[in-house]
Amino acid sequence: QKEVEQNSGPLSVPEGAIASLNCTYSDRGSQSFFWYRQYSGKSPELIMFIYSNGDKEDGRFTAQLNKASQYVSLLIRDSQPSDSATYLCAVKGNFGNEKLTFGTGTRLTIIP
Amino acid sequence: ETGVTQTPRHLVMGMTNKKSLKCEQHLGHNAMYWYKQSAKKPLELMFVYSLEERVENNSVPSRFSPECPNSSHLFLHLHTLQPEDSALYLCASSHMWGGPVDEQFFGPGTRLTVL
Repeated sequence: QKEVEQNSGPLSVPEGAIASLNCTYSDRGSQSFFWYRQYSGKSPELIMFIYSNGDKEDGRFTAQLNKASQYVSLLIRDSQPSDSATYLCAVKGNFGNEKLTFGTGTRLTIIP
Repeated sequence: ETGVTQTPRHLVMGMTNKKSLKCEQHLGHNAMYWYKQSAKKPLELMFVYSLEERVENNSVPSRFSPECPNSSHLFLHLHTLQPEDSALYLCASSHMWGGPVDEQFFGPGTRLTVL
């Protein structure tokens, strides 16, 4: 079983709609969760992090965490063509395993 | 220069060559990282340095040799690489290693091709 699993996509969403990106992880002791955006040919940039169960909102972005289900998601409201990118989910382990483990990413395309 | 910079941005080398990748961070961070990104694969952590001391070595072949002379600079020395080592090599830095919130800032990467 992959440690961090994402649907590779591509995920196509109409402009103005809500894009929903999902991520599951295998280490139940994981403590922190990160969403990175990577444009084609560019390096990853951090969008949001979350470490408490529930929702965390930042502008058009909402991260959702459910530790019982080992599931983290990213919602993008009012999707824009500039949101078209690959979104990487990353999970940080607990004490003694602090490295970030990345998923393969989901490629999102916003259709004008 | 701001953020994390990497040089060169592109590198083509033969299997018998020796080359080095350079990373510099201007953020005052204490931890620096080397990652490998190959197509269709997750980002793979290679090495971590915290306060110039290597704290993580993720079973990386010895043909990759890291060096961290100070907290702002990180090198990856390459020798006798294989074609399967062709990938994007990303450097990152963060305020500290091991904290619960590990916001890592990435450099632009070096696109490496091994012939």
